[in-house]
Parts: sequence; structure tokens; C-alpha cells
Amino acid sequence: QSVLTQPPSASGTPGQRVAISCSGSSSNIGGNYVYWYQQFPGTAPKLLLYKNNQRPSGVPDRFSGSKSGTSASLAISGLRSEDEADYYCAAWDDSLSGWVFGGGTKLTVL
Amino acid sequence: QLQLQESGPGLVKPSETLSLTCTVSGGSISSSSYYWGWIRQPPGKGLEWIGNIYYSGSTYYNPSLKSRVTISADTSKNQFSLKVTSVTAADTAVYYCARQPMIIRGGEDSWGQGTLVTVSS
Repeated sequence: QSVLTQPPSASGTPGQRVAISCSGSSSNIGGNYVYWYQQFPGTAPKLLLYKNNQRPSGVPDRFSGSKSGTSASLAISGLRSEDEADYYCAAWDDSLSGWVFGGGTKLTVL
Repeated sequence: QLQLQESGPGLVKPSETLSLTCTVSGGSISSSSYYWGWIRQPPGKGLEWIGNIYYSGSTYYNPSLKSRVTISADTSKNQFSLKVTSVTAADTAVYYCARQPMIIRGGEDSWGQGTLVTVSS
């Protein structure tokens, strides 16, 4: 059981906009930055967004993030087949004094 | 360009100690701007944070693993290490080392490619 809650799956067609939610509590998302990762099979997770909505160099602006209260969301616009991957959210948890992750969302591009 | 590389045995027997080392290049683990941590991912499952260490030597551990985990650093070699004692099959996972941002300041992190450790007799 993950501390942060994500839907196990999401899907969309090419060109569509898809959003993946991440729900937490006041001790994690509510008071700290949210991070998002993209992971392809057999590879290490890649940082997609940091500090809720900041994109590292090289990440397309099709990827965006938002946070409201104890929930966060990753949005992917102009969906492409190469976006098919697993997506994870993460945040520091003040109560646990540690980083916590969501269970991951498998995105399928139909 | 920061690079992190995990190394260590790929097979560990049950009840023994898992030991991994992360070698950092292109950056210093003595930096006060980051933490240096370990994350693992069991086959087909999600990510689990194990713990991290700050340049001062302060450590933070996942409460669920704290009794079995030790993270240490060797600044002379620019390496940090992970030890997990009394391993079981549940500790079989890909282990990643990572540079992690300060909590308050936030920032980008960076991960190694990961190394698979299998616990089996």
C-alpha cells in the first residue's frame, strides 16, 4: 500500500490530453514539493517534473504539473505513442521523515 | 555531467547481508546542496525509498527498513554505500542510487542505471 495514491492505469489516443492524479496528505503533498517520474521497461526512472511543475532541460512542454491542497496532477497534452510508460509521483513526508512514492500509473496510448 | 554507478553482488543468500556501492563522478558527495540516497524496485512493482545520507553524515531511513539498513559515505573515494542485513526474497529488487534534492529548496535529482540484486540460495 503506497502512501501516495495513483490510479493503476490510464489511457488515451494520440493527440489527446491525459491527466494522472496523485493523492496524499498534509504531511507530504500538502506541505512539500511533488516530483513526477517516467519509466520505460528495463530502465531507470527519469525525472519529468520537479518542484510541482518545473521541467528539467529536455522535457517537452507537453508535460505539465499542478498541485492543489493534498493532491497533484500530471498532464500530458498532444499524447504520443512514445509516452506509453509508467509514471510515478513522489514527495517528502514530514511524518515519516522520508520520501514516499505513488504506486505508479501505467499509461497506454491506444 | 553527473553520473552515478551502482556496483555489488547480483546474488545474495537469504539471511546474509546485501552490500552495494554507488560511485559518483562529475560531482562531489561532499556538496551541502544534495542528499545521496538509495531507492529500490522489486520486479514488476513500484518504487520504494530506502534512505539517504547528507554530507555531514546525517542519515534518514525508511521506517519500514530502518532496523536492517545502514547507509555510509566515503568522501575520499566519492562513494556512498548501502547495507541491508538479514535479507529475504522480499529484498529482491533493482537498487538505484540517486542524488536527491534538499527538501525545502527542492530541485532536480539524478539516478544511476540500477543494479538487480536477487536473494536466493
